[in-house]
Amino acid sequence: DVKVTQSSRYLVKRTGEKVFLECVQDMDHENMFWYRQDPGLGLRLIYFSYDVKMKEKGDIPEGYSVSREKKERFSLILESASTNQTSMYLCASSRADSGIYGYTFGSGTRLTVV
Amino acid sequence: DQQVKQNSPSLSVQEGRISILNCDYTNSMFDYFLWYKKYPAEGPTFLISISSIKDKNEDGRFTVFLNKSAKHLSLHIVPSQPGDSAVYFCAASWGSNYKLTFGKGTLLTVNP
Repeated sequence: DVKVTQSSRYLVKRTGEKVFLECVQDMDHENMFWYRQDPGLGLRLIYFSYDVKMKEKGDIPEGYSVSREKKERFSLILESASTNQTSMYLCASSRADSGIYGYTFGSGTRLTVV
Repeated sequence: DQQVKQNSPSLSVQEGRISILNCDYTNSMFDYFLWYKKYPAEGPTFLISISSIKDKNEDGRFTVFLNKSAKHLSLHIVPSQPGDSAVYFCAASWGSNYKLTFGKGTLLTVNP
């Protein structure tokens, strides 16, 4: 059974902390993505990566960075967490031709910044 | 600029009836469209897709219709079941662009 695994289901962090969200996929997918989901705003793309060490900004990259040192792992970093980053974070991966096959999502990390 | 629009935030239907979820798009370059289903506290799961060279794709109780001239697609669920209650996201992509653009989602509630 193919999987995208996010390291934590729930996280509570303090304002100003540096936060790492980890995502691992076992499908040898080329592409990996980080989205956040907020009520009334749907899924918004933060960053994506189409190859190891490659990254591109999505629609809302401010306050975030990413790291992809290995093909299977894509990390999202909140440099200095703020309360407006409280959200559901979703990692996804896909084949290079994902227009046809779409994404496989992880179960999400519910992050609360207090 | 919202390129994929789901104008109905919610929809409520009776079990056994048809559910119709709608999606509009503005980017004429989109050539693949997908529907994802999401339960609370879970990641979205792929449901069904359609290529722009087709106008209909069917998979069991789920059918997606595409009207390219109107830039409109719809997902029909027949018959609706309580387990179909979830948020449904419409998504689109084009060419070799591997990014999916999502709509804001529609919460479907199927009442027993």
